[in-house]
Amino acid sequence: QKEVEQDPGPLSVPEGAIVSLNCTYSNSAFQYFMWYRQYSRKGPELLMYTYSSGNKEDGRFTAQVDKSSKYISLFIRDSQPSDSATYLCAMIGRETSGSRLTFGEGTQLTVNP
Amino acid sequence: EAGVVQSPRYKIIEKKQPVAFWCNPISGHNTLYWYLQNLGQGPELLIRYENEEAVDDSQLPKDRFSAERLKGVDSTLKIQPAELGDSAVYLCASSSGLRGINEQFFGPGTRLTVL
Repeated sequence: QKEVEQDPGPLSVPEGAIVSLNCTYSNSAFQYFMWYRQYSRKGPELLMYTYSSGNKEDGRFTAQVDKSSKYISLFIRDSQPSDSATYLCAMIGRETSGSRLTFGEGTQLTVNP
Repeated sequence: EAGVVQSPRYKIIEKKQPVAFWCNPISGHNTLYWYLQNLGQGPELLIRYENEEAVDDSQLPKDRFSAERLKGVDSTLKIQPAELGDSAVYLCASSSGLRGINEQFFGPGTRLTVL
């Protein structure tokens, strides 16, 4: 069983829709929970991160972490065609520098105009 | 500020041939990572450097893969000999090594095709 599970999609939505992306994990030691966005033929870029449980909002994006359920989510409001990309969840087991990121397999999102 | 630079962007080789990838991290970043990303999968760490030292290479297939980071700046990842299953994107990332989030910045990757 993988440490991080993510529905690979693909997910296709109309412009303006609310998008929900999710990951589950099995390692209780994970403390930082991140979402990366990867456009085609590009490297991943950090979108936002959350430490431990709770919510974090940044513009149209909201990240949620429920450590009791080992479940994290990313919500995109008023989705735009420019949001079309692969979204990767990633987690780190400890706070110190150089921690190994464990990625989900990514969800491919297409937002149709 | 320039990002992580990787070359070549694409490489096509025949199996059993050697291949090398080069990475130039963001200036001042002490930590450098090489990841492997298979199609439809998330990146998987191959090796992590702190300056010149490889501090995490447990996922590197040492029978055919090697890496070096001379002078603690640029890095090269080599495969010899390449196998069909090595076809993937090889990503380089760097970070400043500070505590906390320690954001990793990724390059565009080298897409390897082994025929």
